[in-house]
Amino acid sequence: AQKITQTQPGMFVQEKEAVTLDCTYDTSDPSYGLFWYKQPSSGEMIFLIYQGSYDQQNATEGRYSLNFQKARKSANLVISASQLGDSAMYFCAMREESTGGFKTIFGAGTRLFVKA
Amino acid sequence: EPEVTQTPSHQVTQMGQEVILRCVPISNHLYFYWYRQILGQKVEFLVSFYNNEISEKSEIFDDQFSVERPDGSNFTLKIRSTKLEDSAMYFCASNGGAGNYGYTFGSGTRLTVV
Repeated sequence: AQKITQTQPGMFVQEKEAVTLDCTYDTSDPSYGLFWYKQPSSGEMIFLIYQGSYDQQNATEGRYSLNFQKARKSANLVISASQLGDSAMYFCAMREESTGGFKTIFGAGTRLFVKA
Repeated sequence: EPEVTQTPSHQVTQMGQEVILRCVPISNHLYFYWYRQILGQKVEFLVSFYNNEISEKSEIFDDQFSVERPDGSNFTLKIRSTKLEDSAMYFCASNGGAGNYGYTFGSGTRLTVV
């Protein structure tokens, strides 16, 4: 069953504007963590932001914020003031406890294109 | 800033050959992971490793795969008899604990099986 869903295969945004990348998840575990990673064309995976299931506040890290709506099981990434360097693939991921420990699973990703 | 180091960055191997992908996680991290990403596709979990043993593995991680932490610093992924469909980018990652922080990924090893 698909546990992390990113419905936007590609997104365009004008430089300096804000953009929201969607992510929904499915879990029955009350304790879980949600992550966003950026993968530039060079291929490396860069951790951006984390939200714990019990966190009361939405996570923020610089220009990144996570719009966490627990009842809707959504964890959208908001990038404010987009820059050309933000053009990349973005993956939403969820860490949950499983039989042997913890594992993190990834969504299919959203490719973001920032236009000058 | 501490890094996860992976070697080699690119490996080409013949089908049926064994390959070992090497990783040096961040020194004070406790949890280690291997993921793979077939070109243009999503990142897939392979295995997690804690306290010198596998703590979780996916259905992809069959008997052809094994992991080792032979000393205090290296973490290796071995594929015994490579298949064409093993061609992918393999990422090693480490994490300080079961807490609230994202994984630190290595820059990956691109494995090409011919």
